[in-house]
Amino acid sequence: EDQVTQSPEALRLQEGESSSLNCSYTVSGLRGLFWYRQDPGKGPEFLFTLYSAGEEKEKERLKATLTKKESFLHITAPKPEDSATYLCAVQAEGNKLVFGAGTILRVKS
Amino acid sequence: DGGITQSPKYLFRKEGQNVTLSCEQNLNHDAMYWYRQDPGQGLRLIYYSQIVNDFQKGDIAEGYSVSREKKESFPLTVTSAQKNPTAFYLCASRGTGGPHEQYFGPGTRLTVT
Repeated sequence: EDQVTQSPEALRLQEGESSSLNCSYTVSGLRGLFWYRQDPGKGPEFLFTLYSAGEEKEKERLKATLTKKESFLHITAPKPEDSATYLCAVQAEGNKLVFGAGTILRVKS
Repeated sequence: DGGITQSPKYLFRKEGQNVTLSCEQNLNHDAMYWYRQDPGQGLRLIYYSQIVNDFQKGDIAEGYSVSREKKESFPLTVTSAQKNPTAFYLCASRGTGGPHEQYFGPGTRLTVT
């Protein structure tokens, strides 16, 4: 069964304190791994797609990386506005996405 | 502006009533999806449609129904058979033949008492 596990469940950082969020997955035939940002009461906002091990994508203070078993979302020098829930999902056989439960990030100034 | 709209943002119903959630997109996407989100859980797939007049059950389809009569629209009906309907419902769409990422609407929070 395809499965996505995100850790930690919650993360508190001071402004400027860099860290990483983890997304480990088991899937037969990975066709893509996706990162989303979700603010409270809103729909997820697409951030990145990664297709193969070794691939990296960057956007402002965020950098996503992919290995054969996991993905990391690195946050460099975060600001309070980076506070959100970050969701990871994998696309397996067919066109369905399997989501992890998310990591709630809080950045304090 | 291209995007996905869901209405209403908040919906309140009494137990035993059916309720329909609206989802419209003007992105010209072929595929559309309905997810349910509960606190502390990942998004769970209810139904999806890859083409007009065709749809498939997702992982938690019991107590829900959908239709896909137009490319732009994919309404979800929460029936009285759904045991725990209170949740945050998200609609998404995806183009075919290109990137696989799905784009989400703003969501509808349904409360059934």
